[in-house]
Amino acid sequence: QITLKESGPTLVKPTQTLTLTCTFSGFSLSTSGVGVGWIRQPPGKALEWLALIYWNDDKRYSPSLKNRVTITKDTSKNQVVLTMTNMDPVDTATYYCAHRNILTLMNFDYWGQGTLVTVSS
Amino acid sequence: DIVMTQTPLSLSVTPGQPASISCKSSQSLLYSDGKTYLYWYLQKPGQSPQLLIYEVSNRLSGVPDRFSGSGSGTDFTLKISRVEAEDVGVYYCMQSIERWTFGQGTKVEIK
Repeated sequence: QITLKESGPTLVKPTQTLTLTCTFSGFSLSTSGVGVGWIRQPPGKALEWLALIYWNDDKRYSPSLKNRVTITKDTSKNQVVLTMTNMDPVDTATYYCAHRNILTLMNFDYWGQGTLVTVSS
Repeated sequence: DIVMTQTPLSLSVTPGQPASISCKSSQSLLYSDGKTYLYWYLQKPGQSPQLLIYEVSNRLSGVPDRFSGSGSGTDFTLKISRVEAEDVGVYYCMQSIERWTFGQGTKVEIK
């Protein structure tokens, strides 16, 4: 059974750096074809993809956030970490991590519960 | 970036009646491998999104057959043949031919 769970601060100040951790089980990020992505959703708004990392450490970033976002993985801990610099109130959102598998063409078939991050002074 | 445009943005449906959501992409989602990378998600109130349909028309295991997806190229449709109370929420289309982008969402509610 695949599960993912996001963790990190619920409140960050403007200009600070946000670090979120996605801890997962039921699959391995060392398995060929597997990836974990981050998606966010501002309150009452649509979903926005941020970044994704693959089993082979290939990384993809949203062009609009590329200069602010970094995604890394720790395969031994079954974790993926997202860092976002220079946080602004407009970055207030629920942040989700989700599973992807290239080999099955499954895009984001499993999601975490999400974690709400508020950016405010 | 590929832009995904959904219509309508909201839909009020009588239980048992059909519903239809359109999704248009700014460029073709047909890849050189012959597959079309269009997905549909449902986000029920207070929940994380859940994948309903992949590659235009393939229902995920466990998704009721009242849900169907169709389309090609840049025009796609999600249809619910008979809406039930449990179908309320926001439906999103998503493309993955070039990175990943979602539509604005279509809120479905029961009359």
